[in-house]
Amino acid sequence: TQLLEQSPQFLSIQEGENLTVYCNSSSVFSSLQWYRQEPGEGPVLLVTVVTGGEVKKLKRLTFQFGDARKDSSLHITAAQPGDTGLYLCAVGSSNTGKLIFGQGTTLQVKP
Amino acid sequence: NAGVTQTPKFQVLKTGQSMTLQCAQDMNHEYMSWYRQDPGMGLRLIHYSVGAGITDQGEVPNGYNVSRSTTEDFPLRLLSAAPSQTSVYFCASSYSPAGNTGELFFGEGSRLTVL
Repeated sequence: TQLLEQSPQFLSIQEGENLTVYCNSSSVFSSLQWYRQEPGEGPVLLVTVVTGGEVKKLKRLTFQFGDARKDSSLHITAAQPGDTGLYLCAVGSSNTGKLIFGQGTTLQVKP
Repeated sequence: NAGVTQTPKFQVLKTGQSMTLQCAQDMNHEYMSWYRQDPGMGLRLIHYSVGAGITDQGEVPNGYNVSRSTTEDFPLRLLSAAPSQTSVYFCASSYSPAGNTGELFFGEGSRLTVL
C-alpha cells in the first residue's frame, strides 16, 4: 500500500483554468513537501509545509497542509503551459533524511 | 556549481550483466539517496545514506548495493541486471534531513534499459 495517495493521477486542462491536486494519507506527518518535475530533469522543491492548517503561496500556486497533518493540497490559479509537469508530494524522517514520495500527478496545460 | 552529477545518462545492459551508476555531489551534503522512477509509481527509494560509511535500505533495495566511502560519492551497483530494473534512476542529496527543513537536490537522472 502507498503511504501517500495523490489524485488525480492525470489532469489535462486549458490555459487559464484553475485546478487542485491532492495528497492524502492515513498517517500524521511533521511536515510535507511538494516537488515539481519537468521531462528529462530531476524534481525541484516547490514548498515545505510544517504546521497543521498552514497555507503557503508561490505566485499562482497555493499549498495547504491539513489541520490534522495527514493531507495536503496544491491549487493552481489560471494555469499556464509552463505549469505542465509532474507534481509530487513527499514526507520524510527528521532523523534519517529518508524521503518517501507519492505516485505523482501529471499535469498538462494546453495553450 | 555542478550540484549533483550522475553518470552515465543512458545505458543498455543485457540480463545478468553488472554495472555501477555513479553519483557525485559538490555541496558537502551529508545525506544522499537513490530513487528509481517508473510510470505511475512516482519515485521509490532504493538506498540512502546519512553520512560517509553509513547506508540503509529504502523501499525497493533488492538487486542493488551501495557504499559511501566519501561524503561526495554514492555509487549504486546493479549486481545482476534484470528486465524489471529497467527504469530511470535519480540520485539526490540534502544538507539536512529531507522532509523537515531539508531540501533534496536531484541529479538529471540515468536511464537504464535491461534487455
